[in-house]
Amino acid sequence: KAGVTQTPRYLIKTRGQQVTLSCSPISGHRSVSWYQQTPGQGLQFLFEYFSETQRNKGNFPGRFSGRQFSNSRSEMNVSTLELGDSALYLCASSLLSGPVEQFFGPGTRLTVL
Amino acid sequence: DQQVKQNSPSLSVQEGRISILNCDYTNSMFDYFLWYKKYPAEGPTFLISISSIKDKNEDGRFTVFLNKSAKHLSLHIVPSQPGDSAVYFCAASPPTGTASKLTFGTGTRLQVTL
Repeated sequence: KAGVTQTPRYLIKTRGQQVTLSCSPISGHRSVSWYQQTPGQGLQFLFEYFSETQRNKGNFPGRFSGRQFSNSRSEMNVSTLELGDSALYLCASSLLSGPVEQFFGPGTRLTVL
Repeated sequence: DQQVKQNSPSLSVQEGRISILNCDYTNSMFDYFLWYKKYPAEGPTFLISISSIKDKNEDGRFTVFLNKSAKHLSLHIVPSQPGDSAVYFCAASPPTGTASKLTFGTGTRLQVTL
């Protein structure tokens, strides 16, 4: 069974631009969560989507948004990029929403210049 | 406020010996705990998990112990192998009925030496 895939793997943008990251979960998984990893803040939860609905949101500004499609694929969008948005963005999928194992993709490395 | 803490940023262990990685949490609502292993530029890989109704869970060389009263969990790797060298994160999840939201510790870098 294929794992979680994320595209693109690497991205370079400039301040003020916007970016869209994509995540395809493991087949059959209906929950997709997004995390941001930075050296200073570690791994932090951004939001979770389950059955096309946002179930939970972390403590990030409104510039960070996401959505989920009927096939469970998810996208994450960051508008008006700031230098501090440079990070590894990780997507994780799980069968259900709640306290279950989440399986992570390889991440998208975003660099904002 | 760091709700999940891994107080040892690094650990070095000889091949064949036991590696013990520790994790403390402050939020008593956490109900499910997981350990992940991470290599640079890759996503975390799930290792083992434990529910709050248990105090021990084993999977091959990996055992996780949970002490709810102390709000402490630990991961034991026996025997340690060079391929185990990576950063290990513990994570905690809120109880059943809530959304999926993992709170991660800051990680412990394990180096297994020959």
